[in-house]
Amino acid sequence: GAVVSQHPSWVICKSGTSVKIECRSLDFQATTMFWYRQFPKQSLMLMATSNEGSKATYEQGVEKDKFLINHASLTLSTLTVTSAHPEDSSFYICSAILDRDNQPQHFGDGTRLSIL
Amino acid sequence: EDKVVQSPLSLVVHEGDTVTLNCSYEVTNFRSLLWYKQEKKAPTFLFMLTSSGIEKKSGRLSSILDKKELFSILNITATQTGDSAVYLCAVEGPYNTDKLIFGTGTRLQVFP
Repeated sequence: GAVVSQHPSWVICKSGTSVKIECRSLDFQATTMFWYRQFPKQSLMLMATSNEGSKATYEQGVEKDKFLINHASLTLSTLTVTSAHPEDSSFYICSAILDRDNQPQHFGDGTRLSIL
Repeated sequence: EDKVVQSPLSLVVHEGDTVTLNCSYEVTNFRSLLWYKQEKKAPTFLFMLTSSGIEKKSGRLSSILDKKELFSILNITATQTGDSAVYLCAVEGPYNTDKLIFGTGTRLQVFP
């Protein structure tokens, strides 16, 4: 159980394009999902906390107008990188957590975004 | 400032060796400490520790938490090449949230 699916797994696109990444909890409901960014050989950095039915909470230094998050249902959160530029190239990973006490975050397989 | 520090940064061993990975933390409102294994894709969950002194075990992997000294260790016995990965330690709970703060990870390479 506790499977998180992320799509697409790899995106290559031109500078200025907007890219949408989906994160789904396949066999459980998740009121809260998280979006992380990981640069090569570095650890995961939390970008934002996505709450179903309300606005996302962004970490300091993350532009909310650049990284749009929508958590429209208990099983789906989306991250849209708007007008992407080469410096946005990174590995983006989502996670979801069961709505019960003492549950770990379960991660999707990540999306590798390359902006040319 | 909340932080999670892992050591060593990297480790190279031969199959059959036993390794110990370390994680120390300073986090406000600690709730739990988690260990993840990351190979090529996203992290996979290994252990979640909330209480001091209680060892969690899964096959050749085990982990324990010391909340007084603010650290945890992850042990892997009889290592195999399939154990090669980055092992991430994360602490949950800063500011009473579900947020995780990750350490930089320990890169383990196991050679035959």
